[in-house]
Amino acid sequence: EVQLVESGGGLVQPGGSLRLSCAASGFTFSNYGMTWVRQAPGKGLEWVSAVTGSDDNTHYADSVRGRFTISRDNYRNTLYLQMNSLRAEDTAVFYCARSQIVAAGFGPFDIWGQGTLVTVSS
Amino acid sequence: VLTQSPATLSLSPGERATLSCRASQSLTNYLAWYQQKPGQAPRLLIYDATNRATGIPARFSGSGSGTDYTLTISSLEPEDFAVYYCQQRRWWPIIFGQGTRLEIK
Repeated sequence: EVQLVESGGGLVQPGGSLRLSCAASGFTFSNYGMTWVRQAPGKGLEWVSAVTGSDDNTHYADSVRGRFTISRDNYRNTLYLQMNSLRAEDTAVFYCARSQIVAAGFGPFDIWGQGTLVTVSS
Repeated sequence: VLTQSPATLSLSPGERATLSCRASQSLTNYLAWYQQKPGQAPRLLIYDATNRATGIPARFSGSGSGTDYTLTISSLEPEDFAVYYCQQRRWWPIIFGQGTRLEIK
């Protein structure tokens, strides 16, 4: 079964750090681009960051660039999101998702994890 | 920028739903649609404007080109009432629309 399972969420104080993990199974992880998408409570979806499958290029939303770092370990079949200098407005459910293999470009996102909640509060 | 309309759509089961997504620049059909139910992760419905994702029922269809795209649900089933998002992958950063809530009338 193709599956993504996020972990690492929790309560953190403003200015703190947290590392999210996303364990992949049921597919050849190294062949796929991966992404993080977040959703603040009661709000819509916001794309956060992506890493391509072919050359590990990384991309970030302006709201997190310089604070968040996406990475992947193809031996452990795991995607990571290192989050530093966290702010109250980073409070959200963070989803990891797989980028479907397409002829050109990145995405769409065909497999999603269940999400992990990050709460930034003092 | 992706603008979805309407923000809320109230319909009855069996009716036809038409959801719109408008971009500020041409997306050359690199437009996807997702469904999200409360407490669940989003689910991919349509990609590249017109292609149904694996396992998606035929009542869901996508159309459009350039800057204007439409998701149509031909005959609403009770399980279709949810929030729908469009998403562009034409450029970085990837952007989602603000969503359309499809509610039971």
